[in-house]
Amino acid sequence: DAMVIQNPRYQVTQFGKPVTLSCSQTLNHNVMYWYQQKSSQAPKLLFHYYDKDFNNEADTPDNFQSRRPNTSFCFLDIRSPGLGDAAMYLCATSAGQLAKNIQYFGAGTRLSVL
Amino acid sequence: AQKITQTQPGMFVQEKEAVTLDCTYDTSDQSYGLFWYKQPSSGEMIFLIYQGSYDEQNATEGRYSLNFQKARKSANLVISASQLGDSAMYFCAMREGKDSSYKLIFGSGTRLLVRP
Repeated sequence: DAMVIQNPRYQVTQFGKPVTLSCSQTLNHNVMYWYQQKSSQAPKLLFHYYDKDFNNEADTPDNFQSRRPNTSFCFLDIRSPGLGDAAMYLCATSAGQLAKNIQYFGAGTRLSVL
Repeated sequence: AQKITQTQPGMFVQEKEAVTLDCTYDTSDQSYGLFWYKQPSSGEMIFLIYQGSYDEQNATEGRYSLNFQKARKSANLVISASQLGDSAMYFCAMREGKDSSYKLIFGSGTRLLVRP
């Protein structure tokens, strides 16, 4: 009964070849987040959606885009992956309420760039 | 800017013993939230425990408890009766932002290894 589902778990792409990572949720949460986690580092927020409102972090490269077609799904598009984009990509959701607003994470997609 | 510091890159603990993972934070906000997450080698981030800045009691969730010392700005995680399955990376995080779609600021993590 996974609540935040990321597909695929492992993705291999070629340098410069566009890739899309998928996240879906069964929690009906308002907020969906995308984090990038490089090896032995803490996760770093790329952007998030509150419902349809997109919020980009100031230092997120233009190479990274996101789409949220409906409440349940959110996609991360990397337009031209470079070697430095190899990382674990984590999707998270939260209910969008102030008190004890827990972020729940998916299992992640580990991206390799050849 | 808010900051989370975890000073223990790695820790060992004997199975069935208790272990404390340190976390200190820095913020000028009066209202904030602190979280602990566990990340096994498989990569998923598993929520463990939450402490709100106005919570008077230390948070507990099963074998996990949070030793919250507000004046010292510390929020240490205590795991009692360690199990082999507790071997993982542990991240302390703070909520940044006052609106409903806050972001998490993570510490650098502590890798815990439980010895049989």
